[in-house]
Amino acid sequence: QVQLQESGPGLVKPSETLSLTCTVSGGSISSDYCSWIRQSPGKGLEWIGYISYTGTTNYNPSLKSRVTISADTSKNQFSLKLSSVTAADTAVYYCARGPYHEYSDYWGQGTLVTVSS
Amino acid sequence: SSELTQDPAVSVALGQTVSITCQGDSLRTYYATWYQQKPGQAPVLVVYGQNNRPSGIPDRFSGSSSGNTASLTIAGAQAEDEAEYHCYSRDRTGYYYVFGTGTKVTVL
Repeated sequence: QVQLQESGPGLVKPSETLSLTCTVSGGSISSDYCSWIRQSPGKGLEWIGYISYTGTTNYNPSLKSRVTISADTSKNQFSLKLSSVTAADTAVYYCARGPYHEYSDYWGQGTLVTVSS
Repeated sequence: SSELTQDPAVSVALGQTVSITCQGDSLRTYYATWYQQKPGQAPVLVVYGQNNRPSGIPDRFSGSSSGNTASLTIAGAQAEDEAEYHCYSRDRTGYYYVFGTGTKVTVL
């Protein structure tokens, strides 16, 4: 059974960089599309972007200037960096994977990141 | 605001059928993916592609599409189907992705 687990600081100061890692177990990410999605408190889901098994990335245009998604297939992990954060970036961040970029069949449980001084 | 629009809430009597819709220009070209999310939990994939269900998803869940509208139908809704349902597809450029606004389904 594939499992994903997000890890990283739960509190980030404004203007700093949010960094999260997703560790995948029970399956290799070497042929996957690995995605990040977030959900602000009481709001809907927001697609952040993905990295493909070839290393190609695709980012939400509204976040593109601040987002970097990378992968380390040797560790079966992928990561999210979001720079210059503000309170508007406070959300539950989910990592997810799928065989195609059209859908993700396994998700992490999500991790709450609060942006506050 | 999202390019994919969903009704905020719908209700269905136990055992009855309900359809949840997702509207957007990109749906004339691309399929919608549907996720179920219960409070405090991560989304779960329920339907993808033309009308495909992952293993473990009951066959009472089905997807369809017509014009600019994608639909998720729950035939014979059960109490455990009470959740928020999110559609997901490409945006109008066809290059990026976007989630719908979400529909809260209440089973009466």
